[in-house]
Amino acid sequence: SQQGEEDPQALSIQEGENATMNCSYKTSINNLQWYRQNSGRGLVHLILIRSNEREKHSGRLRVTLDTSKKSSSLLITASRAADTASYFCATDATGNRDDKIIFGKGTRLHILP
Amino acid sequence: GAGVSQSPSNKVTEKGKDVELRCDPISGHTALYWYRQSLGQGLEFLIYFQGNSAPDKSGLPSDRFSAERTGGSVSTLTIQRTQQEDSAVYLCASSLGGAQYFGPGTRLTVT
Repeated sequence: SQQGEEDPQALSIQEGENATMNCSYKTSINNLQWYRQNSGRGLVHLILIRSNEREKHSGRLRVTLDTSKKSSSLLITASRAADTASYFCATDATGNRDDKIIFGKGTRLHILP
Repeated sequence: GAGVSQSPSNKVTEKGKDVELRCDPISGHTALYWYRQSLGQGLEFLIYFQGNSAPDKSGLPSDRFSAERTGGSVSTLTIQRTQQEDSAVYLCASSLGGAQYFGPGTRLTVT
């Protein structure tokens, strides 16, 4: 299966610390995306990194991609209470029909006050 | 502009009844996805529409599930003879390729 898998499944850190979540996948990809989900409803797109990119930044978010290891990491710096959410990676495998992407099971991040 | 909308937001139905869930994607988005998410779990892919291509139905869990997308826009997910295990949040997303934009979901409860 191409599906990405996030690690760890759950993470609790103190407010102000950095949070790192990892994603591993099995097949070659065109791009990898990270999403956030609050309160079990719709997901919000955070960042997309293409297979020829190694690192990308967006505000307090830093994403890295290592295609040789088929892995990605999402770093949230200076975490805030509002960052408490589930974070999912999603991959668009090469050879997939059209732009179909598949989500992992997510990492539940809890920021402690 | 308007985002993805879904209706109803909540649906309680009796076991054995049929239900229809609706998704209005962002205008102009060619791709439309349906997912299912049980409490505390990840997203389970159900079905994918892309333009005029035949839909990818590989994620539908049984033949009780079906979906249509009329005119390349609005989509309806139908669940026939609902079972208690169908209880979940059903999420719809649309895309032009790349980022997906999600609706708020429909929470389905089968009693």
